[in-house]
Amino acid sequence: NAGVMQNPRHLVRRRGQEARLRCSPMKGHSHVYWYRQLPEEGLKFMVYLQKENIIDESGMPKERFSAEFPKEGPSILRIQQVVRGDSAAYFCASSPLGRGEAEAFFGQGTRLTVV
Amino acid sequence: GDSVTQMEGPVTLSEEAFLTINCTYTATGYPSLFWYVQYPGEGLQLLLKATKADDKGSNKGFEATYRKETTSFHLEKGSVQVSDSAVYFCALSEGSSNTGKLIFGQGTTLQVKP
Repeated sequence: NAGVMQNPRHLVRRRGQEARLRCSPMKGHSHVYWYRQLPEEGLKFMVYLQKENIIDESGMPKERFSAEFPKEGPSILRIQQVVRGDSAAYFCASSPLGRGEAEAFFGQGTRLTVV
Repeated sequence: GDSVTQMEGPVTLSEEAFLTINCTYTATGYPSLFWYVQYPGEGLQLLLKATKADDKGSNKGFEATYRKETTSFHLEKGSVQVSDSAVYFCALSEGSSNTGKLIFGQGTTLQVKP
């Protein structure tokens, strides 16, 4: 059973470009979470999605950021018009249950660098 | 809102030393508590968890006990190895919404020297 797959592992974008980060959850998991890790900091929650639905986006910046988890295919975190401050590691986690006691399995992350 | 506070690092120990990494939390409801470990360039791996008060999570020689009275979940290991060098994150699942959303501490870097 493959783990959570994120791609690309590293992404370089110029200021003003768009970044698309992909996450394929573990087989059988329908709950996906995105987190952002700024340098020397812990992970901050961004958004929680269940198939085709955004359940909690309280950690998403109001502008330029969006997320989706379609019926078929990976979850996508999209950042439009990237700025230097978006440089960070973005981690996706999946869970079989959208509940607190369930273990979340993390991908290896996408490290975004904005130049 | 809910929050997690960890002791600041880096923590530098010699091999076979005793490890404690302090973690305290503030939460409404009844959160589950977790320790995750992150090796360089990698994602997070669950190390151990506890889902209710007085539960003890353990794995690979690491232990932590869910102390409701002191709102703590300190990580301990009796004898560390060089291979334990990593960043350790304490986290809680937000209890009020219970959606599996995790709140993380800032992480503690552990360096173990031979």
